[in-house]
Amino acid sequence: QVQLQESGPGLVTPSQTLSLTCTVSGGSISSSGYYWTWIRQHPGQGLEWIGYVYRGGTTHYNPSLKSRLSISRDTSKNQFSLELRSLTAADTAVYYCARATLGGALEYWGQGTLVTVSS
Amino acid sequence: DTQMTQSPSTLSASVGDRVTITCRASQSLPDWLAWYQHKPGKAPKLLIYRVSSLGIGVPSRFSGSGSGTEFTLTISSLQPEDFATYYCQQYNTYPWTFGQGTTVEMK
Repeated sequence: QVQLQESGPGLVTPSQTLSLTCTVSGGSISSSGYYWTWIRQHPGQGLEWIGYVYRGGTTHYNPSLKSRLSISRDTSKNQFSLELRSLTAADTAVYYCARATLGGALEYWGQGTLVTVSS
Repeated sequence: DTQMTQSPSTLSASVGDRVTITCRASQSLPDWLAWYQHKPGKAPKLLIYRVSSLGIGVPSRFSGSGSGTEFTLTISSLQPEDFATYYCQQYNTYPWTFGQGTTVEMK
């Protein structure tokens, strides 16, 4: 059974950079056919796809975040990470990591981590 | 972006009811559509992928159908554990997008 777990700070100061890590167990992030994905949910709102890292380190980002976003992977630790720069209050959300397969269906998700951007 | 619109936003139902949620896309999707169940404080769960294929371990009372721009999720007989929020998602075009959610609450 594949499991994902997000980790990172719960509180970040405006204009700073958010760094989150997703640790994967029960499967290798080096395996082909999977998109290691980040999604977020603003308070009281729906889900927003942030982007993913694919095999070989290929990435694809939501254009609305692309200028501030980096997603990378560390195969030695079986982790992938998100870096979001120049944070504002609008980035306050629950951030989820997930594994997408079957073309883009999000098969396994982490529990999510709440990130609050505030001074 | 492909906009996904779900209806209704909230649905009141009783155990045993047949429940149908609709998702409309702003452009035609071949069959790259999924449905998720989300309960507060928990990880979302994949219910349906490719319009009508059941996710791993998903009970057969859940079913998906549709084509083009209109899709439905049906729960044939609502169970107590099914009270939750449901989201559709398209993965036909980038960025992948979700509906705004439908909350199934107890009548």
